[in-house]
Amino acid sequence: EVQLLESGGGLVQPGGSLRLSCAASGFAFSSYAMAWVRQAPGKGLEWVSVINNSGAYTYYADSVKGRFTISRDNSKNTLYLQMNSLRAEDTALYYCAKALGAAAGPPVGSWGQGTRVTVSS
Amino acid sequence: EIVLTQSPGTLSLSPGERATLSCRASQSVSSSYLAWYQQKPGQTPRLLIYGASSRATGIPDRFSGSGSGTDFTLTISRLEPEDFAVYYCQQYVGSRGTFGGGTKVEIK
Repeated sequence: EVQLLESGGGLVQPGGSLRLSCAASGFAFSSYAMAWVRQAPGKGLEWVSVINNSGAYTYYADSVKGRFTISRDNSKNTLYLQMNSLRAEDTALYYCAKALGAAAGPPVGSWGQGTRVTVSS
Repeated sequence: EIVLTQSPGTLSLSPGERATLSCRASQSVSSSYLAWYQQKPGQTPRLLIYGASSRATGIPDRFSGSGSGTDFTLTISRLEPEDFAVYYCQQYVGSRGTFGGGTKVEIK
């Protein structure tokens, strides 16, 4: 069974940084692209970033480009999201998600429960 | 950036009725790169359809997807009580996936 467990969320001041982690199990982590998707309170889904299976290719939403960095450690079955220069509008529940395939583009078929990020002074 | 517009915002229907949800893209999207998700309150999203018309594993055949170019449709042939939820379309052209704003299917 696919399991994705996010951690690292919390309360941070505007301009601050956080690093989210997603521990994956139940599947061959190094064979699948992974993504981060967020959902602000009471709002819809927003795609944030995706990384291919090897980590060679990464893509970002315009709203986070230059501030967020996605990465993965296939030896640890872990996905990361380094978030810098955080803004109030980054406040959301951040989901880690497993893609259907290896390339950074397929839709996501499995989701974690999310980790909450609140940016506020 | 491709913008997806979903309509209607809310669909009020009774169990057993047919639901037709629309997703319109601001520019052409390859059918291979259009997906639909379902999200119930307090739950994580679930992939229903990918490649515009392929059902994901375990999805009942009352869910079907169609469309091409800029216009895509999710159809639920006969609504079951568990189908009342919010539905999102997503495109992933160029490996950048954007979601539509969602359609809420509520019980009439």
